[in-house]
Amino acid sequence: RKEVEQDPGPFNVPEGATVAFNCTYSNSASQSFFWYRQDCRKEPKLLMSVYSSGNEDGRFTAQLNRASQYISLLIRDSKLSDSATYLCAVNTQAGTALIFGKGTTLSVSS
Amino acid sequence: DGGITQSPKYLFRKEGQNVTLSCEQNLNHDAMYWYRQDPGQGLRLIYYSQIVNDFQKGDIAEGYSVSREKKESFPLTVTSAQKNPTAFYLCASTLRGSHEQFFGPGTRLTVL
Repeated sequence: RKEVEQDPGPFNVPEGATVAFNCTYSNSASQSFFWYRQDCRKEPKLLMSVYSSGNEDGRFTAQLNRASQYISLLIRDSKLSDSATYLCAVNTQAGTALIFGKGTTLSVSS
Repeated sequence: DGGITQSPKYLFRKEGQNVTLSCEQNLNHDAMYWYRQDPGQGLRLIYYSQIVNDFQKGDIAEGYSVSREKKESFPLTVTSAQKNPTAFYLCASTLRGSHEQFFGPGTRLTVL
């Protein structure tokens, strides 16, 4: 089993749709979880940290399920500008290095 | 403005030549990282450094070397031993005690 796995997509949705991405991780001792957004040919940018209690930032909601070892990202009322690749990242036991999934591509159309 | 800079944005080299990619940060972050990204792939860790004068190999360190002589700087050398060096190279940094990584704009290396 790979350390961090994501459905690569692409997810093609119309504007206004709600879309959810999942990311599974294999290391049960992982402590920190993040969602990054990466636009085409750009660097990843931190979108949200994922806390045990879940967290929400406007149209974006991130949740952690430790029992099943996955994190999720929910995007409500999708905008054209949400089109990007979403990477999940999990910390390793050894130190502060993150392990990234391969990303899920979202395409929002009008 | 605080941030992470990488230069150059695009780099072309002939096969067999070593090349050094620059990464500088003025965020006073302690840890710095180098990742490689290939098309349709995730980020793979090359090297990381948690403090000055110390660094550790990541998952794909073969054919690469780094130094950390200053807190602000973490240059990556892609040597001729790296069999497939054409890729997008990303540098990142974190504050001590945090796992939130912030990335520079990246360098696209093409080996001809």
